[in-house]
Amino acid sequence: EAGVTQFPSHSVIEKGQTVTLRCDPISGHDNLYWYRRVMGKEIKFLLHFVKESKQDESGMPNNRFLAERTGGTYSTLKVQPAELEDSGVYFCASSQDRGGAGQPGNTIYFGEGSWLTVV
Amino acid sequence: QKEVEQNSGPLSVPEGAIASLNCTYSDRVSQSFFWYRQYSGKSPELIMSIYSNGDKEDGRFTAQLNKASQYVSLLIRDSQPSDSATYLCAVNIDWNNFNKFYFGSGTKLNVKP
Repeated sequence: EAGVTQFPSHSVIEKGQTVTLRCDPISGHDNLYWYRRVMGKEIKFLLHFVKESKQDESGMPNNRFLAERTGGTYSTLKVQPAELEDSGVYFCASSQDRGGAGQPGNTIYFGEGSWLTVV
Repeated sequence: QKEVEQNSGPLSVPEGAIASLNCTYSDRVSQSFFWYRQYSGKSPELIMSIYSNGDKEDGRFTAQLNKASQYVSLLIRDSQPSDSATYLCAVNIDWNNFNKFYFGSGTKLNVKP
């Protein structure tokens, strides 16, 4: 079974340019998450899709970030225009359906990450 | 206050020793707890998950959870150089429509041959 796949694995762009990151979750996983880790900091939540709907986007840093998940399959995260502080590793993760309110949350599985450098 | 706190390390132990990694969390509604291992330049990979108070053992790894004290730990017995990595503690808060994972900043473990 294929894991979470992300593309591109590495990207170097100039400040002001646009970058689009793609994530293909594990087949059958309704939940898709985007996380980001900037240098020396902890992994931080960006947003959570349940199928094609944005369940929680409270972690999105500003309106330069746009995430989509058309059809509830793969997701894209676009940064436009990119700034220097956007450099970091963008992880996508997926999990199966939740067990319901009050039930243990499902394990999330990470992709290899998209390493973004803005110069 | 951060949701999940870990000592950044590095924690150095000799080969064959027990490595003890600790994590505290702030939110009492946290329900699920995970330890991930991340090698440099790689994605986090799941080692252990624990949901109930007490110990959970899997091979050389033991996770310990104490909800009253809001801490979770990971013990690695017979540490090997290949265990050298950053260990991330993650906490899942799952309450009604709110489901979010919080990560600590990670503890770097060095196992010396």
